Amino acid sequence: EAQVTQNPRYLITVTGKKLTVTCSQNMNHEYMSWYRQDPGLGLRQIYYSMNVEVTDKGDVPEGYKVSRKEKRNFPLILESPSPNQTSLYFCASSVRTAGHPYEQYFGPGTRLTVT
Amino acid sequence: AQKITQTQPGMFVQEKEAVTLDCTYDTSDQSYGLFWYKQPSSGEMIFLIYQGSYDEQNATEGRYSLNFQKARKSANLVISASQLGDSAMYFCAMREGRISNFGNEKLTFGTGTRLTIIP
Repeated sequence: EAQVTQNPRYLITVTGKKLTVTCSQNMNHEYMSWYRQDPGLGLRQIYYSMNVEVTDKGDVPEGYKVSRKEKRNFPLILESPSPNQTSLYFCASSVRTAGHPYEQYFGPGTRLTVT
Repeated sequence: AQKITQTQPGMFVQEKEAVTLDCTYDTSDQSYGLFWYKQPSSGEMIFLIYQGSYDEQNATEGRYSLNFQKARKSANLVISASQLGDSAMYFCAMREGRISNFGNEKLTFGTGTRLTIIP
C-alpha cells in the first residue's frame, strides 16, 4: 500500500530536549516536505527536499533541521524544542512529473506538545 | 496579502443538501494548481480534488466538484448530497508555478472551513 508514515504520532516533551520525528514513504517519490498546522493559520511549510542530499527552507524553518540521506526518509529534527513548536506536524511527498496533475501524499500527522 | 482565503470559518448544513465551500486565491503566476483537502477529526489530510489553471473543464470526483472561475480567482468546492461523514475541516490549497524538476512543490493553504452536517 502506497503511504507516508510518521513516528511518533503523539509526543509530549520538555523544553530543550532534542527530538526527531521520522517520515518515510514507499512510493519512490523524489519530493518530500514538512508542514506544521496551527489553529487559524492552516498548514505552513517548514522544509522541503527535492531529492537525496537536496534540502531547503520553507516559510517557517526557524528551530528545525532536516536531512535527506535516503530517498525514502526525511526526518525532522528539533535540536532544542520550545513551547511555540507545539503543533501538529505533517510530512508529505509527491512525484515530480511535469505537465501532469499530481497530489501530495500526507502522512498521518504527529501531534507534538512541548512543555 | 493572503494567497488563499477561506471566508467561512464554520458551516452547518442539513444532511442530503448540497454545500459550497468558498475559496479565493491570489497569484501572479499563469500556471498553478488548486487543491482541496479534507481533515476529519482523526487529523489526517485527505486529498479530494485538483484543478489546474489551464484546465478548461471544472474538476469532478464523485460527489465533489470544483467550481473554477479563473477571472474571479475563485475555486469553490461543491459537495452534492452531503452525508454525516462529510463533517470535517476542509482546506483549499494552491501550488504556484509549473511543475518542474527544480522548484519547490509547496502548497499554500487557507485557514480552513469546519463543516458540520446535521442529521
